[in-house]
Amino acid sequence: EVQLVESGGGLVQPGGSLRLSCSASGFIFSNYAMHWVRQAPGKGLEWVSGLSSSGGSTYYINSVKGRFVISRDNSKNTLHLQMSSLRAEDTAVYYCAKDSHPELERPDNCLDPWGQGTLVTVSS
Amino acid sequence: SYELTQPPSVSVSPGQTASITCSGDKLGDKYAWWYQQKPGQSPVLVIYEDIKRPSGIPERFSGSNSGNTATLTISGTQAMDEADYYCQAWDNSIAVFGTGTRVTVL
Repeated sequence: EVQLVESGGGLVQPGGSLRLSCSASGFIFSNYAMHWVRQAPGKGLEWVSGLSSSGGSTYYINSVKGRFVISRDNSKNTLHLQMSSLRAEDTAVYYCAKDSHPELERPDNCLDPWGQGTLVTVSS
Repeated sequence: SYELTQPPSVSVSPGQTASITCSGDKLGDKYAWWYQQKPGQSPVLVIYEDIKRPSGIPERFSGSNSGNTATLTISGTQAMDEADYYCQAWDNSIAVFGTGTRVTVL
């Protein structure tokens, strides 16, 4: 059974940094692209970033470019999201999700399944 | 940037059919995915590549996609189908989610 477990969320002040992790099991982690998706309280889903299986290809939404860095450690089956210069509008539950393919630039990339999420609160 | 628009809410009686639309420019030229999210839970994939159903998803869930509109249809809606539903498509390797629709089973 595929399992994705996020960790690292918490309360951080504006301008601060936080590193999220997603521990994966139940599948060959190094064979699949991975993603981060967030959901602000009471709001809809917003894709944040994606990373290919090798780590060589990354994509970000414009609002986090230059502030967030997605990475992975295939030897530890772990996905990370390093977040810096955090803003109040980054407050959200952050989910990691497994892709159906190793590369990102496909018309049939599929986000399934998702982890349970970790809450990031940016507030003074 | 690419946008996907859904109706904020849909109400349906038990046993009836609920249809949720997702509108985007030339959406029919892309694949559409649909996710179900119940309160306090993570999203679950219910339709992929316009019309396909993952294993474990009931047959009452179906999808279509043509022109500028993708549609998720729930036939014989049950109380357990009450949830938020989001469509999703890819635009230049960026995943775009719809605005979300709350389905209420009255």
